[in-house]
Amino acid sequence: AQKVTQAQTEISVVEKEDVTLDCVYETRDTTYYLFWYKQPPSGELVFLIRRNSFDEQNEISGRYSWNFQKSTSSFNFTITASQVVDSAVYFCALSEAPNYGGSQGNLIFGKGTKLSVKP
Amino acid sequence: NAGVTQTPKFRILKIGQSMTLQCAQDMNHNYMYWYRQDPGMGLKLIYYSVGAGITDKGEVPNGYNVSRSTTEDFPLRLELAAPSQTSVYFCASTPRADGGNTIYFGEGSWLTVV
Repeated sequence: AQKVTQAQTEISVVEKEDVTLDCVYETRDTTYYLFWYKQPPSGELVFLIRRNSFDEQNEISGRYSWNFQKSTSSFNFTITASQVVDSAVYFCALSEAPNYGGSQGNLIFGKGTKLSVKP
Repeated sequence: NAGVTQTPKFRILKIGQSMTLQCAQDMNHNYMYWYRQDPGMGLKLIYYSVGAGITDKGEVPNGYNVSRSTTEDFPLRLELAAPSQTSVYFCASTPRADGGNTIYFGEGSWLTVV
């Protein structure tokens, strides 16, 4: 069964600190995709990154970086030099390849980590 | 290009009332989904559709119905609203379900049942 665990419910940091949000996933598929979404206080879901199971290269985008490790089934997200605008709930999600009678590409979400960045 | 449009954005319902949340996408996507997000929780799949005329249940379908008469529209119907259906509802679409495509979300519909 598919499952995404974000063990950190809430994290509070002071501006300019680095922060890492943890994500651990479970899947039996060899082909799957991992996502991170940001949900600011306004409520919409903002897509941050998609990574497929065959690409374990780490990725950096500005202050954001992602560490994908299949050996530990983790897809962690680091914000460097955090800013107040980073305050949001961050969701990790998993999507498996579609299969008959099963997954149809829907996302399995973790419960989210609420990040508060204080000035 | 409007993307995924949900209406209404906010609604208060009384227990036992019915309503329909509208979802429309203008990207000609085959796959559409309805999720609900309860406080402090991630999103859970209610129903999904792989094309016009084809719908199926997700993880939490009880109390809801859907239809997909056109590619563009995927309305979610709540019959006999209950307080447990107080939630934020998100509609989403994607062209293919292989996970490698961007999944587009609507802006959400906040529903309160009192």
